[in-house]
Amino acid sequence: EAQVTQNPRYLITVTGKKLTVTCSQNMNHEYMSWYRQDPGLGLRQIYYSMNVEVTDKGDVPEGYKVSRKEKRNFPLILESPSPNQTSLYFCASSTPTAYNEQFFGPGTRLTVL
Amino acid sequence: RKEVEQDPGPFNVPEGATVAFNCTYSNSASQSFFWYRQDCRKEPKLLMSVYSSGNEDGRFTAQLNRASQYISLLIRDSKLSDSATYLCSSGGAGNKLTFGGGTRVLVKP
Repeated sequence: EAQVTQNPRYLITVTGKKLTVTCSQNMNHEYMSWYRQDPGLGLRQIYYSMNVEVTDKGDVPEGYKVSRKEKRNFPLILESPSPNQTSLYFCASSTPTAYNEQFFGPGTRLTVL
Repeated sequence: RKEVEQDPGPFNVPEGATVAFNCTYSNSASQSFFWYRQDCRKEPKLLMSVYSSGNEDGRFTAQLNRASQYISLLIRDSKLSDSATYLCSSGGAGNKLTFGGGTRVLVKP
């Protein structure tokens, strides 16, 4: 089954404790991206990647890191999480020819205390 | 001004009625537009693409107005199952994608 998976789905952590949210897709998509969704602010792009070893900032990259060492994986790293990073996070992937047709993962609900 | 704006709603729609709402975008270089459907706190799923002047899929019709820089979504014969939040997105040069805040639609019996 073609899908985007994210782990963990739910996470409660404390300020400053490094965490990684994994994202993996099995559709051989070149383009992958991370979004956060907050009430009243909609979906905002954090980082995106056009292919292996190619990443770029989206609209709200501060406080986040990403890496793209393999085509299928695109982890999101929070080196020192803060309460304002409490949010619902979505990973998405697509082919570059239709890069806007995003396939989303199920989401990760993160709470930073 | 936000790059992509939507009326948050909610649009309360009687079952069987028609509802339409717009999404405005500010980047005139945007090349592609999409409507996604999102059920409560679940992942968005592609509903329709709007590559040229418009698109129709069953009860759903999307239109693009480049002169006024907006896209619209019309839902005919609304079903209870159409209750959801509808997100529009635009993409252009640089592969950056921008989503609107979503329009909430509630279809009532």
